[in-house]
Amino acid sequence: DAGVIQSPRHEVTEMGQEVTLRCKPISGHDYLFWYRQTMMRGLELLIYFNNNVPIDDSGMPEDRFSAKMPNASFSTLKIQPSEPRDSAVYFCASSLSSSGPAFFGQGTRLTVV
Amino acid sequence: GDSVTQMEGPVTLSEEAFLTINCTYTATGYPSLFWYVQYPGEGLQLLLKATKADDKGSNKGFEATYRKETTSFHLEKGSVQVSDSAVYFCALNEWAGGYNKLIFGAGTRLAVHP
Repeated sequence: DAGVIQSPRHEVTEMGQEVTLRCKPISGHDYLFWYRQTMMRGLELLIYFNNNVPIDDSGMPEDRFSAKMPNASFSTLKIQPSEPRDSAVYFCASSLSSSGPAFFGQGTRLTVV
Repeated sequence: GDSVTQMEGPVTLSEEAFLTINCTYTATGYPSLFWYVQYPGEGLQLLLKATKADDKGSNKGFEATYRKETTSFHLEKGSVQVSDSAVYFCALNEWAGGYNKLIFGAGTRLAVHP
C-alpha cells in the first residue's frame, strides 16, 4: 500500500480564497483524522471520521472550516474564506482500529498571504 | 480529558550519547501509548507502541516501557546518531464518547551533533 496520500503538498493562496485539501487513506482503514500543525499550537486534532461518519469535530476552529468524507477512500478539508492565520501544515492520518496506531500522510503546507 | 506532557526541547546531544525523553500522561482508563517521530519536512511516523502496563515497545534501538504506577512512557536510546535528529511525539489513545482518538504531546526536538 502507498500509505496515506495527501494533495497538494504545498498550497499558496490569497486571503479570502477557498482552499481544498485532499486525502486518500490507507485501504481498509476505518478511521480518518485531520490534524493541523503550527509552531505556536503544536499538533491539533481538527476532526475525525469513523466509517465515513464525522465523530468529533470539536477541534474545527471556525465555521470557515469544513470536512467531508463521501466514501471510504477520500476525504476533503475545506477552508472558505481562508485567512493568513490558517497558514500551517495540515496532516491527514488513518487507522485500522479504534485502538491501533494512526498512519500519517506527508502533509499539506498551506500558506495564506 | 486525557492528556500527554513531554519534556521541553530542544534536546542537544553529541553522537553516541544516551537519550532520554520524558513523557507522562493522565488518563481515566488504560490507554495504548505511542511514540511518533517526525523528520524535517515529513509527516509523523510510528516509532513504537505499548498497549498495556509493563509492556516495552522497541524499534530502531529506541525503547519505552509503559509504567502505570508512574503514568510514564519515557523514550530511551543507548547511542544516538546524527540521523536521529527529529521531533519526537508521545501520544495516547483516549476513549471518549464510545470512540478512541489519539492525543499528542507537544513534541520534543532532538538535535544530534557529530
